[in-house]
Amino acid sequence: TQLLEQSPQFLSIQEGENLTVYCNSSSVFSSLQWYRQEPGEGPVLLVTVVTGGEVKKLKRLTFQFGDARKDSSLHITAAQPGDTGLYLCAGHSGGSNYKLTFGKGTLLTVNP
Amino acid sequence: DTAVSQTPKYLVTQMGNDKSIKCEQNLGHDTMYWYKQDSKKFLKIMFSYNNKELIINETVPNRFSPKSPDKAHLNLHINSLELGDSAVYFCASSHYGTSANYGYTFGSGTRLTVV
Repeated sequence: TQLLEQSPQFLSIQEGENLTVYCNSSSVFSSLQWYRQEPGEGPVLLVTVVTGGEVKKLKRLTFQFGDARKDSSLHITAAQPGDTGLYLCAGHSGGSNYKLTFGKGTLLTVNP
Repeated sequence: DTAVSQTPKYLVTQMGNDKSIKCEQNLGHDTMYWYKQDSKKFLKIMFSYNNKELIINETVPNRFSPKSPDKAHLNLHINSLELGDSAVYFCASSHYGTSANYGYTFGSGTRLTVV
């Protein structure tokens, strides 16, 4: 079973601060996705990273896939209260495996 | 126009009852999933169907039975409900393929409470 460990589990910061969330595994993934989930809603896809070392930016969010494709990070610059939510990383092992394995999430609270 | 819609949104029922949750997607995806999110927010896959064929069946009690009448619908029937079944159940859909670039589109969830 492939496991994805996310850290920190909880993060509470002030508006304007920067933060980084980590997603680590001992397994290699063919791709890794990040989702954000708000209360009462399902997860929404933010980004997919595929190539080792890949960096993708989505406004103030920067996603990086580790060179060995075992880990990923999400960096948020100048966090805003609208960034509050549960951030989930999820990995595909590729091939004929159709299963997306999720980490346990990082619950981010950005206080005004 | 909702992409993945689940009904009902909330379901409160007594132990021992049988209940169903319905899911429909209008995205033209060929693969659908049921995930269970526990009280600690951990999302765990239960089932996956590709073009009406069951392709993933995780270790789930056989009281849970998925049914896919066509590739746009995936329903979940639960027999003899137990307290431990209380959770949020999410339906999702995606394209199937070896690319693995395909993200999932999730419904807004069904909060099941067994009393």
